[in-house]
Amino acid sequence: AQSVTQPDIHITVSEGASLELRCNYSYGATPYLFWYVQSPGQGLQLLLKYFSGDTLVQGIKGFEAEFKRSQSSFNLRKPSVHWSDAAEYFCAVGDPTGGGNKLTFGTGTQLKVEL
Amino acid sequence: DADVTQTPRNRITKTGKRIMLECSQTKGHDRMYWYRQDPGLGLRLIYYSFDVKDINKGEISDGYSVSRQAQAKFSLSLESAIPNQTALYFCATSDLNGGDIQYFGAGTRLSVL
Repeated sequence: AQSVTQPDIHITVSEGASLELRCNYSYGATPYLFWYVQSPGQGLQLLLKYFSGDTLVQGIKGFEAEFKRSQSSFNLRKPSVHWSDAAEYFCAVGDPTGGGNKLTFGTGTQLKVEL
Repeated sequence: DADVTQTPRNRITKTGKRIMLECSQTKGHDRMYWYRQDPGLGLRLIYYSFDVKDINKGEISDGYSVSRQAQAKFSLSLESAIPNQTALYFCATSDLNGGDIQYFGAGTRLSVL
């Protein structure tokens, strides 16, 4: 069974500083990988996805993530954080086989941005 | 995403009551999902449906049931609500032809007293 680990429950960064949120997954092959963001009182918005190909993927709002097969990781990065990036971030794994894409989510990382 | 609408947005109910949460979508997607979110646990899949005639249990289906009334409508029911079903519930949709990316509604916050 697939699983996702987000080791950091809370992260605080200063506005303008760089950000890296960690995500490790467990899956027998190469899964589909996603990062979602949830702002307070909102649903989940897709930031970026990896299906195959180039291991560095670009997303919305200036985010990027790198798939590293050898480390079973898909870490999310942003060079310069803005106060509006404060939110909860979820990494998710999808099973590309079996005719469907049921997602398994990590437990989330809450990002706080200090002004 | 405004294309996925959940009603109600908030609901307070009492133990033992029957509750229905509704989800409708205008994205034309075949696939729909119900998740619950609890603090520190992320999102967990309750039920999913790949088309109107296809309903499947997810990770935590006990105590819940669903109905896929049409391609655009997928309802989640709690037949007899209990306090540990207090959570934030999300509906999502996806389309296999679109890479099966899931799009989420704004959520329903349910409190069972």
